[in-house]
Amino acid sequence: AQSVSQHNHHVILSEAASLELGCNYSYGGTVNLFWYVQYPGQHLQLLLKYFSGDPLVKGIKGFEAEFIKSKFSFNLRKPSVQWSDTAEYFCAVNALMDSSYKLIFGSGTRLLVRP
Amino acid sequence: SAVISQKPSRDICQRGTSLTIQCQVDSQVTMMFWYRQQPGQSLTLIATANQGSEATYESGFVIDKFPISRPNLTFSTLTVSNMSPEDSSIYLCSVLDRGNEQFFGPGTRLTVL
Repeated sequence: AQSVSQHNHHVILSEAASLELGCNYSYGGTVNLFWYVQYPGQHLQLLLKYFSGDPLVKGIKGFEAEFIKSKFSFNLRKPSVQWSDTAEYFCAVNALMDSSYKLIFGSGTRLLVRP
Repeated sequence: SAVISQKPSRDICQRGTSLTIQCQVDSQVTMMFWYRQQPGQSLTLIATANQGSEATYESGFVIDKFPISRPNLTFSTLTVSNMSPEDSSIYLCSVLDRGNEQFFGPGTRLTVL
């Protein structure tokens, strides 16, 4: 079955540290890839997306992600995190499954940034 | 980007009752989705609701428990029927816009006693 895996469930960093959150998916067809963020008490927001073209995509707030097709991965990175990046991050894959479009989410990674 | 509102934002319900959640979008969209986010967990797709056709349910979700209406291109409802404490979750409405991006509503936080 198609799935999305996020290997880091909880991450704690100090401000200015670098961040990398892993995301792997299992689906052999064409996919669109997303990272969403959910700040405490707020609803889901799109951070960045990959549809095609340059596999290194840049999103809002200094985040970027790299699509590596051979590894079925779409890892999220930020060179220097801030306290305001404390949130839950979800990787998601959109693919045509059973003749219908579906967006499937990973289990999420809770990031805590200490000031 | 689509702007989505949901009503109610939260509710506390008694076991055995039903709650209908409304989702309103500020633009016409073909594809709408309902998700559930149980406490501390990720989002699980309940069903896809396209206007003019029956909702398509994911494995583990059935129409009798989660009936969905989609009367037009800007509105949908999800009913959580015969509720039990295990139904306590956040229920989210989502739409797919023309740019193939999916946007989410603020969610409805349901607590079943």
